[in-house]
Amino acid sequence: EVQLVESGGVVVQPGGSLRLSCAASGFTFDDYAMHWVRQAPGKGLEWVSLISWDGGSTYYADSVKGRFTISRDNSKNSLYLQMNSLRAEDTALYYCAKDKYSGYDYGNYVFDYWGQGTLVTVSS
Amino acid sequence: QSALTQPASVSGSPGQSITISCTGTSSDVGSYNLVSWYQQHPGKAPKLMIYEGSKRPSGVSNRFSGSKSGNTASLTISGLQAEDEADYYCCSYAGSSTYVVFGGGTKLTVL
Repeated sequence: EVQLVESGGVVVQPGGSLRLSCAASGFTFDDYAMHWVRQAPGKGLEWVSLISWDGGSTYYADSVKGRFTISRDNSKNSLYLQMNSLRAEDTALYYCAKDKYSGYDYGNYVFDYWGQGTLVTVSS
Repeated sequence: QSALTQPASVSGSPGQSITISCTGTSSDVGSYNLVSWYQQHPGKAPKLMIYEGSKRPSGVSNRFSGSKSGNTASLTISGLQAEDEADYYCCSYAGSSTYVVFGGGTKLTVL
């Protein structure tokens, strides 16, 4: 059974930093690209970032480019999101999501499994 | 404002069929057969229901179907059941600079 468990969400002041983690199990982690998708309270879904299966390629939404960094450690079956220069508008539930396609076939942005999310609140 | 336009709400009675539309542009929905649909119950994570426009993942009921015409994709749910009451989001690949866009979501109420 595929499981994705996010952690690291807390209350942080504007301008602060935070690192989110996602522990994956139930599938061959290093075969699949992974994503972060967020959802502001009471709002819709917003894709944040993608990392390829080998970590060699990363992609970001314009809203976070230059401030967030996605990474992975395939030896630990873990995905990360380093968040810097946080703003109030970054307040959201952050989901870790698995890409449906393995290997080099990622890039269609289909999210077939999601974690339960970790809440990041940016407030003074 | 979301990149893809969905109705804020739709409703139907048990056993009926409903359709949720998702309107994009020639830069996303209209150019790629890469629309997916997600179901989200309150307090829960989204669940993939349809991908590549009309394909169903294993385990998803065949009451759910997807289609596309021009810049508009649609999700149809037939034989509505109480458990279908949820928020539904469409999502489309949008090319190598924007990458992916979501709709604003549609709240389905089963009367």
